[in-house]
Amino acid sequence: KQEVTQIPAALSVPEGENLVLNCSFTDSAIYNLQWFRQDPGKGLTSLLLIQSSQREQTSGRLNASLDKSSGRSTLYIAASQPGDSATYLCAVNWDSNYQLIWGAGTKLIIKP
Amino acid sequence: DVKVTQSSRYLVKRTGEKVFLECVQDMDHENMFWYRQDPGLGLRLIYFSYDVKMKEKGDIPEGYSVSREKKERFSLILESASTNQTSMYLCASAPGSVNEQFFGPGTRLTVL
Repeated sequence: KQEVTQIPAALSVPEGENLVLNCSFTDSAIYNLQWFRQDPGKGLTSLLLIQSSQREQTSGRLNASLDKSSGRSTLYIAASQPGDSATYLCAVNWDSNYQLIWGAGTKLIIKP
Repeated sequence: DVKVTQSSRYLVKRTGEKVFLECVQDMDHENMFWYRQDPGLGLRLIYFSYDVKMKEKGDIPEGYSVSREKKERFSLILESASTNQTSMYLCASAPGSVNEQFFGPGTRLTVL
Protein backbone atom coordinates (compact mmCIF):
# COMPACT_ATOMS: atom_id res chain seq x y z
CA LYS A 1 0.00 0.00 0.00
CA GLN A 2 1.29 3.44 -0.90
CA GLU A 3 1.57 5.61 2.18
CA VAL A 4 3.14 8.92 3.15
CA THR A 5 4.32 9.62 6.69
CA GLN A 6 5.40 12.88 8.28
CA ILE A 7 7.20 12.85 11.60
CA PRO A 8 7.04 14.70 13.93
CA ALA A 9 3.42 15.77 13.98
CA ALA A 10 4.44 19.03 15.66
CA LEU A 11 7.66 20.96 16.10
CA SER A 12 8.46 24.11 18.05
CA VAL A 13 11.78 25.93 17.58
CA PRO A 14 13.20 29.38 18.42
CA GLU A 15 13.34 32.00 15.73
CA GLY A 16 16.51 32.01 13.65
CA GLU A 17 17.17 28.28 13.74
CA ASN A 18 17.59 26.17 10.64
CA LEU A 19 15.24 23.21 10.64
CA VAL A 20 14.34 20.10 8.71
CA LEU A 21 10.91 18.60 8.17
CA ASN A 22 10.68 14.97 7.14
CA CYS A 23 8.47 13.07 4.73
CA SER A 24 8.81 9.34 4.10
CA PHE A 25 6.99 7.24 1.55
CA THR A 26 6.60 3.60 0.66
CA ASP A 27 7.36 2.49 -2.91
CA SER A 28 10.18 4.42 -4.58
CA ALA A 29 8.49 4.53 -8.02
CA ILE A 30 7.15 8.03 -7.53
CA TYR A 31 6.30 10.48 -10.29
CA ASN A 32 6.79 13.59 -8.20
CA LEU A 33 6.51 14.95 -4.66
CA GLN A 34 5.07 18.27 -3.61
CA TRP A 35 5.46 20.29 -0.41
CA PHE A 36 2.67 22.58 0.74
CA ARG A 37 2.10 25.06 3.50
CA GLN A 38 -1.27 25.60 5.19
CA ASP A 39 -2.11 28.43 7.54
CA PRO A 40 -4.97 27.88 10.02
CA GLY A 41 -8.36 27.95 8.33
CA LYS A 42 -6.84 28.62 4.93
CA GLY A 43 -6.14 26.78 1.70
CA LEU A 44 -2.85 25.17 0.76
CA THR A 45 0.05 27.06 -0.76
CA SER A 46 2.35 25.09 -3.04
CA LEU A 47 5.97 25.52 -1.94
CA LEU A 48 8.06 23.17 -4.04
CA LEU A 49 7.58 20.36 -6.53
CA ILE A 50 10.32 17.78 -7.04
CA GLN A 51 10.16 15.57 -10.07
CA SER A 52 11.28 11.96 -9.87
CA SER A 53 14.45 12.75 -11.83
CA GLN A 54 15.48 15.60 -9.51
CA ARG A 55 17.43 15.49 -6.25
CA GLU A 56 16.44 18.88 -4.89
CA GLN A 57 14.60 22.11 -5.47
CA THR A 58 15.16 25.52 -3.90
CA SER A 59 12.98 28.56 -3.39
CA GLY A 60 14.32 31.36 -1.23
CA ARG A 61 14.99 30.00 2.26
CA LEU A 62 13.41 26.66 1.41
CA ASN A 63 15.19 23.64 0.04
CA ALA A 64 13.52 20.31 -0.62
CA SER A 65 15.50 17.16 -1.28
CA LEU A 66 14.43 13.80 -2.60
CA ASP A 67 16.02 10.40 -2.02
CA LYS A 68 13.87 7.84 -3.76
CA SER A 69 16.00 4.87 -2.80
CA SER A 70 15.44 5.51 0.88
CA GLY A 71 11.88 6.74 0.40
CA ARG A 72 12.53 10.14 1.93
CA SER A 73 12.14 13.82 1.25
CA THR A 74 13.20 16.64 3.53
CA LEU A 75 12.17 20.28 3.59
CA TYR A 76 14.93 22.48 4.92
CA ILE A 77 13.99 25.93 6.21
CA ALA A 78 16.88 28.31 6.78
CA ALA A 79 16.86 31.11 9.35
CA SER A 80 13.32 30.43 10.51
CA GLN A 81 10.94 33.31 11.21
CA PRO A 82 7.65 33.52 13.15
CA GLY A 83 5.89 33.93 9.80
CA ASP A 84 7.00 30.41 8.89
CA SER A 85 4.62 29.05 11.53
CA ALA A 86 2.11 26.85 9.71
CA THR A 87 1.34 23.22 8.95
CA TYR A 88 3.57 21.72 6.28
CA LEU A 89 2.21 18.89 4.16
CA CYS A 90 3.91 16.64 1.69
CA ALA A 91 2.06 14.78 -1.03
CA VAL A 92 3.30 12.09 -3.40
CA ASN A 93 2.15 11.38 -6.93
CA TRP A 94 2.83 7.80 -7.97
CA ASP A 95 2.98 6.64 -11.57
CA SER A 96 1.71 9.93 -13.02
CA ASN A 97 -1.86 9.20 -12.00
CA TYR A 98 -4.01 12.05 -10.86
CA GLN A 99 -4.22 11.29 -7.21
CA LEU A 100 -1.89 12.63 -4.58
CA ILE A 101 -1.28 10.58 -1.45
CA TRP A 102 -1.00 12.94 1.51
CA GLY A 103 1.00 12.97 4.67
CA ALA A 104 -0.76 14.09 7.85
CA GLY A 105 1.44 17.18 8.11
CA THR A 106 3.87 18.71 10.57
CA LYS A 107 2.63 21.67 12.58
CA LEU A 108 5.55 24.09 12.91
CA ILE A 109 5.70 26.84 15.52
CA ILE A 110 8.51 29.36 15.41
CA LYS A 111 8.88 31.15 18.74
CA PRO A 112 9.95 34.81 18.63
CA ASP B 1 0.70 33.31 -10.77
CA VAL B 2 -1.92 30.61 -10.78
CA LYS B 3 -5.15 31.76 -9.27
CA VAL B 4 -7.82 29.41 -8.01
CA THR B 5 -10.91 31.01 -6.52
CA GLN B 6 -13.82 29.49 -4.65
CA SER B 7 -17.28 31.02 -4.55
CA SER B 8 -17.58 31.34 -0.77
CA ARG B 9 -15.23 31.33 2.22
CA TYR B 10 -17.96 30.41 4.67
CA LEU B 11 -21.32 28.81 4.03
CA VAL B 12 -24.10 27.70 6.39
CA LYS B 13 -26.84 25.42 5.07
CA ARG B 14 -29.65 23.34 6.48
CA THR B 15 -29.96 19.57 6.31
CA GLY B 16 -31.58 18.48 3.06
CA GLU B 17 -30.67 21.59 1.10
CA LYS B 18 -28.95 21.34 -2.27
CA VAL B 19 -25.55 23.01 -2.07
CA PHE B 20 -23.34 24.25 -4.89
CA LEU B 21 -19.67 24.99 -4.37
CA GLU B 22 -17.92 26.60 -7.30
CA CYS B 23 -14.26 26.73 -8.22
CA VAL B 24 -12.65 28.77 -10.99
CA GLN B 25 -9.06 28.70 -12.20
CA ASP B 26 -7.43 31.13 -14.60
CA MET B 27 -4.45 29.12 -15.86
CA ASP B 28 -6.10 26.94 -18.49
CA HIS B 29 -5.35 23.82 -16.45
CA GLU B 30 -6.76 20.53 -17.68
CA ASN B 31 -7.14 18.91 -14.26
CA MET B 32 -9.31 20.05 -11.39
CA PHE B 33 -9.96 18.45 -8.00
CA TRP B 34 -12.29 18.66 -5.05
CA TYR B 35 -11.10 17.63 -1.58
CA ARG B 36 -12.52 17.78 1.87
CA GLN B 37 -10.34 18.26 4.93
CA ASP B 38 -11.31 17.15 8.40
CA PRO B 39 -9.30 17.15 11.63
CA GLY B 40 -7.53 13.84 12.10
CA LEU B 41 -8.47 12.59 8.63
CA GLY B 42 -6.37 14.89 6.47
CA LEU B 43 -7.24 15.67 2.87
CA ARG B 44 -9.49 13.24 1.06
CA LEU B 45 -10.23 13.38 -2.64
CA ILE B 46 -13.92 13.56 -3.54
CA TYR B 47 -13.85 13.89 -7.34
CA PHE B 48 -11.50 15.06 -10.03
CA SER B 49 -11.84 16.06 -13.64
CA TYR B 50 -9.20 15.74 -16.37
CA ASP B 51 -11.17 17.47 -19.11
CA VAL B 52 -14.41 19.28 -19.79
CA LYS B 53 -17.38 17.03 -19.06
CA MET B 54 -15.05 14.30 -17.78
CA LYS B 55 -14.98 13.24 -14.14
CA GLU B 56 -13.56 10.50 -11.99
CA LYS B 57 -14.51 9.42 -8.49
CA GLY B 58 -11.99 9.91 -5.76
CA ASP B 59 -11.90 8.19 -2.39
CA ILE B 60 -15.16 9.53 -0.94
CA PRO B 61 -17.66 10.40 -3.72
CA GLU B 62 -20.79 9.28 -1.88
CA GLY B 63 -23.27 12.09 -1.38
CA TYR B 64 -21.53 14.36 -3.90
CA SER B 65 -21.66 15.03 -7.61
CA VAL B 66 -19.65 17.35 -9.84
CA SER B 67 -20.04 19.33 -13.01
CA ARG B 68 -17.47 20.66 -15.43
CA GLU B 69 -19.11 22.38 -18.36
CA LYS B 70 -16.24 24.80 -19.00
CA LYS B 71 -12.54 24.20 -18.63
CA GLU B 72 -12.03 26.90 -16.02
CA ARG B 73 -14.94 25.96 -13.75
CA PHE B 74 -15.50 22.88 -11.59
CA SER B 75 -18.57 22.66 -9.38
CA LEU B 76 -19.19 20.39 -6.42
CA ILE B 77 -22.81 19.59 -5.65
CA LEU B 78 -24.25 18.24 -2.44
CA GLU B 79 -27.60 16.90 -3.57
CA SER B 80 -29.08 16.77 -0.07
CA ALA B 81 -26.75 18.18 2.54
CA SER B 82 -26.24 16.24 5.74
CA THR B 83 -24.53 17.19 9.00
CA ASN B 84 -21.66 14.79 8.29
CA GLN B 85 -20.78 16.91 5.27
CA THR B 86 -19.78 19.78 7.54
CA SER B 87 -16.16 20.28 6.55
CA MET B 88 -13.55 22.43 4.83
CA TYR B 89 -13.79 21.99 1.06
CA LEU B 90 -10.73 22.65 -1.03
CA CYS B 91 -10.50 22.96 -4.79
CA ALA B 92 -7.28 22.52 -6.75
CA SER B 93 -6.16 22.67 -10.35
CA ALA B 94 -3.13 21.27 -12.16
CA PRO B 95 -1.77 21.32 -15.70
CA GLY B 96 -2.15 18.12 -17.66
CA SER B 97 1.57 17.64 -18.19
CA VAL B 98 2.69 17.81 -14.57
CA ASN B 99 0.50 17.03 -11.59
CA GLU B 100 1.53 20.12 -9.62
CA GLN B 101 -1.61 21.15 -7.80
CA PHE B 102 -2.59 24.69 -6.88
CA PHE B 103 -5.27 25.26 -4.30
CA GLY B 104 -8.02 27.76 -3.70
CA PRO B 105 -8.65 29.40 -0.31
CA GLY B 106 -11.22 26.81 0.77
CA THR B 107 -14.90 26.93 1.73
CA ARG B 108 -15.86 26.20 5.32
CA LEU B 109 -19.28 24.56 5.04
CA THR B 110 -21.48 24.06 8.07
CA VAL B 111 -24.63 21.98 7.72
CA LEU B 112 -27.13 22.46 10.54
